[in-house]
Amino acid sequence: SQQGEEDPQALSIQEGENATMNCSYKTSINNLQWYRQNSGRGLVHLILIRSNEREKHSGRLRVTLDTSKKSSSLLITASRAADTASYFCVPAGSNYKLTFGKGTLLTVNP
Amino acid sequence: NAGVTQTPKFRVLKTGQSMTLLCAQDMNHEYMYWYRQDPGMGLRLIHYSVGEGTTAKGEVPDGYNVSRLKKQNFLLGLESAAPSQTSVYFCASSSRTGTLYNEQFFGPGTRLTVL
Repeated sequence: SQQGEEDPQALSIQEGENATMNCSYKTSINNLQWYRQNSGRGLVHLILIRSNEREKHSGRLRVTLDTSKKSSSLLITASRAADTASYFCVPAGSNYKLTFGKGTLLTVNP
Repeated sequence: NAGVTQTPKFRVLKTGQSMTLLCAQDMNHEYMYWYRQDPGMGLRLIHYSVGEGTTAKGEVPDGYNVSRLKKQNFLLGLESAAPSQTSVYFCASSSRTGTLYNEQFFGPGTRLTVL
């Protein structure tokens, strides 16, 4: 399984602003998954985008996928203090195993 | 529908003691995983299982054993705990739709300290 590389490593914004996190990976994928981890808690799956999709929305989340550039982005609109968490992108191939990177630490200031 | 549960939530062990962490899922998932998370290291896969009665080694299996006697349960054992095993342990489960693998669902974690 392969690992995604999140960028930036840390991001600090004000409540109400949008937050954009980027992800790059190296080999072909079947899907790419985004997870969130609030401090001290388990990971929560946010959204899965398949390799034949270019964009997907879920509430305030928008994910894009560009397989030609091997990159993805996660946009959180109108951020809230509760969005403060680490965000992980996980590229998935033809394997049930996933490899998690270090994530992007998002801090939303009230 | 509880999802993935883990027991215990916290545990302190002395070096050399043994313990078992229990993971249970009620989603009828085939695949189950044990990870550990250390500061600055991300999640690392310890062991995993692709079905009842089967287990396999992940990235960091040394010092741990696992068993999956029932589909819904995945046990992680530490036979002789060491301070290097101080960590937060997460269990996860997932399923498959045809040939496509789906997202993983995580438990709340077990915080283990080995003195």
